[in-house]
Amino acid sequence: SAVISQKPSRDICQRGTSLTIQCQVDSQVTMMFWYRQQPGQSLTLIATANQGSEATYESGFVIDKFPISRPNLTFSTLTVSNMSPEDSSIYLCSTRVGADTGELFFGEGSRLTVL
Amino acid sequence: GQQVMQIPQYQHVQEGEDFTTYCNSSTTLSNIQWYKQRPGGHPVFLIQLVKSGEVKKQKRLTFQFGEAKKNSSLHITATQTTDVGTYFCAGRQQGAQKLVFGQGTRLTINP
Repeated sequence: SAVISQKPSRDICQRGTSLTIQCQVDSQVTMMFWYRQQPGQSLTLIATANQGSEATYESGFVIDKFPISRPNLTFSTLTVSNMSPEDSSIYLCSTRVGADTGELFFGEGSRLTVL
Repeated sequence: GQQVMQIPQYQHVQEGEDFTTYCNSSTTLSNIQWYKQRPGGHPVFLIQLVKSGEVKKQKRLTFQFGEAKKNSSLHITATQTTDVGTYFCAGRQQGAQKLVFGQGTRLTINP
């Protein structure tokens, strides 16, 4: 299993500012994933972050808006840049342990409200 | 691209009643996973189904994977207030790494 610590747990941000979310895993993992969950909605994959390489972004998400760092095998950050109210959402980091097709473990999520 | 549809979106039951949520994929899946998200919480893995026609049980929860590996269901017998939450299915297309989540079914229970 994996225990994931994510911070901040929540924040209220002003339009036009940027916020960085941190994700710490208690073990070394190859892949880390960043999801967005808009209020009452499903989980949408933003990007996959591998250590030592550029993150892979899903359709509709770009690096300029959601830059990601993955400096080592236990840590990743997601920045939400130049925020607008439409970015108000829960952002979740997750990872897998073991098989590439195994279960996902999620952090507690970061609830962002953009005013 | 791959789509995973889940119904119903909402379900309200009396405590003790049964509950079922259904998941359908537009493509054949290599496996399907189910997650539960309590109100205010994060998704927690419940189970993974891999084989065609597979049925797995966890106490009052029964999970099925269709013969064609394009649909799945989760059935809860005699719901309890601890079952409240949103249940998501998530499917992985054959040959793909990405897990696609359904829209989720939000279960509320009248005690």
